[in-house]
Amino acid sequence: NAGVTQTPKFRILKIGQSMTLQCAQDMNHNYMYWYRQDPGMGLKLIYYSVGAGITDKGEVPNGYNVSRSTTEDFPLRLELAAPSQTSVYFCASGQGVGRSGNTIYFGEGSWLTVV
Amino acid sequence: AQSVSQHNHHVILSEAASLELGCNYSYGGTVNLFWYVQYPGQHLQLLLKYFSGDPLVKGIKGFEAEFIKSKFSFNLRKPSVQWSDTAEYFCAVKPNYNTDKLIFGTGTRLQVFP
Repeated sequence: NAGVTQTPKFRILKIGQSMTLQCAQDMNHNYMYWYRQDPGMGLKLIYYSVGAGITDKGEVPNGYNVSRSTTEDFPLRLELAAPSQTSVYFCASGQGVGRSGNTIYFGEGSWLTVV
Repeated sequence: AQSVSQHNHHVILSEAASLELGCNYSYGGTVNLFWYVQYPGQHLQLLLKYFSGDPLVKGIKGFEAEFIKSKFSFNLRKPSVQWSDTAEYFCAVKPNYNTDKLIFGTGTRLQVFP
């Protein structure tokens, strides 16, 4: 019963380094999302995808890139890490919040620190 | 731009006290509404949701929320809290014009003391 799986759970990066946060879901959901959570700021949408091959920007996309080559995977890439990207990152998936009764499911989060 | 406001940033209660957490949103059209809970060190879990019908929605663990359209509100309530309810609570709104993005409030941290 995996649901949404994120790796790594914790990572420390140096300024200017790059890395990819992995996200996989096994529920055959079309929709996938990346959020970041900062203290007192709630969750902000970085990027989302409505299906394989389709991605779109959310509220705070700068400094990030995504790809969606398969239904299951939605990796988030940080190209040049900056201290402002220190945050907790959550991946989520769903059938599409617009459909009545459906909701989105979150992964356990990835704690990223940029020093 | 659409926004979600949670005015209670930090709430401290004793066990058995009643709880009400406020949530207001700014979109004037039809909305879908959600409350999520995040226990310490865990991911977000859905507490309850409103799509249509009865504006009083019951969720898991004894929580309920009431959608008041005229007030643009979706307040979360629980008549008697437990220590295990200590968590952060997030209200989220999906404006119906926008297909699949949730807009989250800033969250309310609830601490319940025995």
